[in-house]
Amino acid sequence: NAGVTQTPKFRVLKTGQSMTLLCAQDMNHEYMYWYRQDPGMGLRLIHYSVGEGTTAKGEVPDGYNVSRLKKQNFLLGLESAAPSQTSVYFCASRRPNGETQYFGPGTRLLVL
Amino acid sequence: SQQGEEDPQALSIQEGENATMNCSYKTSINNLQWYRQNSGRGLVHLILIRSNEREKHSGRLRVTLDTSKKSSSLLITASRAADTASYFCATDAGSDYKLSFGAGTTVTVRA
Repeated sequence: NAGVTQTPKFRVLKTGQSMTLLCAQDMNHEYMYWYRQDPGMGLRLIHYSVGEGTTAKGEVPDGYNVSRLKKQNFLLGLESAAPSQTSVYFCASRRPNGETQYFGPGTRLLVL
Repeated sequence: SQQGEEDPQALSIQEGENATMNCSYKTSINNLQWYRQNSGRGLVHLILIRSNEREKHSGRLRVTLDTSKKSSSLLITASRAADTASYFCATDAGSDYKLSFGAGTTVTVRA
């Protein structure tokens, strides 16, 4: 099993450009999460999903949109990137009745 | 807002020594978890302690939880160079099993 994978690994955007980050998991997990990590801070939850076709806002959702069209995939979109969105983005998943989250390797995003 | 706060922010120890880090949180929790993050990598789950537990062991790891003080500690015994990483506590306090992470403790183990 690959676990949780994220693409791309690294991306540079110009202010105002859009992009989509892809998270995929092959563990049949129901719950999926998108976090951002900034220097000196822990992970902050952007959006999450409790199942296919569902999404919900986390702690810092502004400027991001998400979709969960398939159970195994969770997409994070930036419609108009801003320098404040420069960060490392992590995806995680969790199985029903499980208590721990499984993390992907991260996507490093630089917005100029 | 972040639920957990780790202390210290950074820790440097000699190989073979023990490393202790603390986590404080603000609200009632279902469980508290510790994760490790090696530089440039994702987080890896280490250990979970439930609100009705006071102490838990896993290999060289020992976690304590004091719900009256809303605090937890992680002890790594006989540290190794491979333990060099950032350690985060995360609290599960509500529905949808969302986790709230602290800012982490960066541990450096010197050979």
